[in-house]
Amino acid sequence: GAVVSQHPSRVICKSGTSVKIECRSLDFQATTMFWYRQFPKKSLMLMATSNEGSKATYEQGVEKDKFLINHASLTLSTLTVTSAHPEDSSFYICSATTGILYNEQFFGPGTRLTVL
Amino acid sequence: RKEVEQDPGPFNVPEGATVAFNCTYSNSASQSFFWYRQDCRKEPKLLMSVYSSGNEDGRFTAQLNRASQYISLLIRDSKLSDSATYLCVAMNRDDKIIFGKGTRLHILP
Repeated sequence: GAVVSQHPSRVICKSGTSVKIECRSLDFQATTMFWYRQFPKKSLMLMATSNEGSKATYEQGVEKDKFLINHASLTLSTLTVTSAHPEDSSFYICSATTGILYNEQFFGPGTRLTVL
Repeated sequence: RKEVEQDPGPFNVPEGATVAFNCTYSNSASQSFFWYRQDCRKEPKLLMSVYSSGNEDGRFTAQLNRASQYISLLIRDSKLSDSATYLCVAMNRDDKIIFGKGTRLHILP
C-alpha cells in the first residue's frame, strides 16, 4: 500500500523557536495533503488542506501565520510551527491522497511536538 | 450538531464477545465512509471502507444506512488485540474527511 513518512517523529524545543515537520509520500504522487493535530484523548482536528503548487487552505481558527504550510512538490509538504509555545505541544499527523475522488487517505506516523 | 458523532465509550467487553458501535453523520452529501483504528499515541490506520451493500472482513462487518445516515461496525469473537479507539470517518466530495471523536474499546481477559 501507499506509504507516507513524517520527519521528525519526535521533537522537543524551547519556547519561541520554529519547528519544521516534513510529510512525504514515498511511492505515489500526492496532489493533496492534509495536516491534522491531535490533543491527548481527543480526535484528529484538521488544520489545513495543502495542494501542490498552491496556497494551503486553513480551517477556521487555525492561524496561517503560525502554521506555515508549503507543498512544493507532489511528494513533499512541510508544516512549520513558528515561534512555538507550550500550547502548541501536540501530535501532528499528515495524510495524503492521490486526488482520485473517494480515494482513501494515507496517514503518516505522526510527529510529537513538545514545547518547553 | 457535529458532522460525525460517535459514542465515546469506553466499551468494556469480555474477550470472545461480540460488540457493535454506530456512528451518525449529518451531511447527506458525504460520499464515502471508513472505519479507522487508532492505538494509543499512534496514527490512525484504515480498518475498512464502508459500502451501502455492507462489507465483511474476517471478524469485522461494516454497514452503511444512507436513509438514516449512520454507519456501524460489528466485531465478532473479540480479541484482546482489538482494544483500541475506533474512528468513524466521512469523506466529502472534495476529499475532505471528517473524523468522529472515536469510540474506545477495551477487551477484557
